[in-house]
Amino acid sequence: DADVTQTPRNRITKTGKRIMLECSQTKGHDRMYWYRQDPGLGLQLIYYSFDVKDINKGEISDGYSVSRQAQAKFSLSLESAIPNQTALYFCATSEAGPTTYNEQFFGPGTRLTVL
Amino acid sequence: GQNIDQPTEMTATEGAIVQINCTYQTSGFNGLFWYQQHAGEAPTFLSYNVLDGLEEKGRFSSFLSRSKGYSYLLLKELQMKDSASYLCAVRVNQAGTALIFGKGTTLSVSS
Repeated sequence: DADVTQTPRNRITKTGKRIMLECSQTKGHDRMYWYRQDPGLGLQLIYYSFDVKDINKGEISDGYSVSRQAQAKFSLSLESAIPNQTALYFCATSEAGPTTYNEQFFGPGTRLTVL
Repeated sequence: GQNIDQPTEMTATEGAIVQINCTYQTSGFNGLFWYQQHAGEAPTFLSYNVLDGLEEKGRFSSFLSRSKGYSYLLLKELQMKDSASYLCAVRVNQAGTALIFGKGTTLSVSS
């Protein structure tokens, strides 16, 4: 089984709709992240959470919100989707602490299309 | 602001060696990562540098010069499966923000 899972994998929605993307992990990591990726623009950080009670905005948080329901679950919501939120969305996790690289492990991605 | 630059595209042939450069200008520095991403798939971790010098891992090596704000990823004995995007990312500080990614370099390996 994959360590980091995302649902749905693909979603087509209409402008103005509310949509939630979910991320679950079995790696036992405290830190979780949401990124979006657009062609030619690389990965941009939307929100990140270093533990259940900690939520932080990233580079491009406008139009998004998140919920850290448990250590293993981190959801991203688009309250009122717009076409320029069409992108590939990745969830990632990492350990905390000074003894490892703390590299991020990515989920398989959710391809979102807003019409 | 934060800025990470990489070439957009590179091409090479099987068996060759290719070097992908990354320069960065960030408000802080606590390590540089290289990730590989095949089209439509998740990025996967390749290497990490926090001190100056070369880190070698099989066919892949990564170099860092903190004073120059410069890193490179060296891929040896290229294979077709190495065709992918290579992402350079900087961790600005240990306790603060997450990674800042460059836009990625798309490498095409031909036979």
